[in-house]
Amino acid sequence: QKEVEQNSGPLSVPEGAIASLNCTYSDRVSQSFFWYRQYSGKSPELIMSIYSNGDKEDGRFTAQLNKASQYVSLLIRDSQPSDSATYLCAVKKDSNYQLIWGAGTKLIIKP
Amino acid sequence: GAGVSQSPSNKVTEKGKDVELRCDPISGHTALYWYRQSLGQGLEFLIYFQGNSAPDKSGLPSDRFSAERTGGSVSTLTIQRTQQEDSAVYLCASSLGGGYTEAFFGQGTRLTVV
Repeated sequence: QKEVEQNSGPLSVPEGAIASLNCTYSDRVSQSFFWYRQYSGKSPELIMSIYSNGDKEDGRFTAQLNKASQYVSLLIRDSQPSDSATYLCAVKKDSNYQLIWGAGTKLIIKP
Repeated sequence: GAGVSQSPSNKVTEKGKDVELRCDPISGHTALYWYRQSLGQGLEFLIYFQGNSAPDKSGLPSDRFSAERTGGSVSTLTIQRTQQEDSAVYLCASSLGGGYTEAFFGQGTRLTVV
């Protein structure tokens, strides 16, 4: 089992709809979780960080964390074509603060 | 500087030559990560520096790869006797260190071995 797992996609969502991206992790004691967006040919860009159970909202983005079930998700409301990118989930190990990455989910927003 | 700076942005080298890639992290950031990303692939961990602790070198693919971090700031990734399979984008990220801190990436160095 990989330490951080994401569905590779592609996930196709119509413009204006909600895109839901999911990530599961294996290290039960992890405390820090991150979502990054990577456009083709560019480096990853931080979108959200979340450290506590529940929801965290920032504009059109909402991160959700459920430590009991060991998953973290990212919701994108009112999806735009410019949201088309690969979304990477990262989990920070509690033991040495090393970042462990998922393989990423490719999101396509169709106009 | 305001962000993580990597140089050069692009590097074309002949097979068998040595290359050095530089990463200048955000000022005050104690944690520094190197990753490699081949076209269409995910991030491949190479090495992780955290303060004065011994670096985690477990991701280095062969002994041709080495990295150092001088004075807890600038880091250099060295690839000796480059091979065509080393062609990729090399990404550096830094963070404040500790648990509840965010990592920020440089723009990457695109290495092409011909």
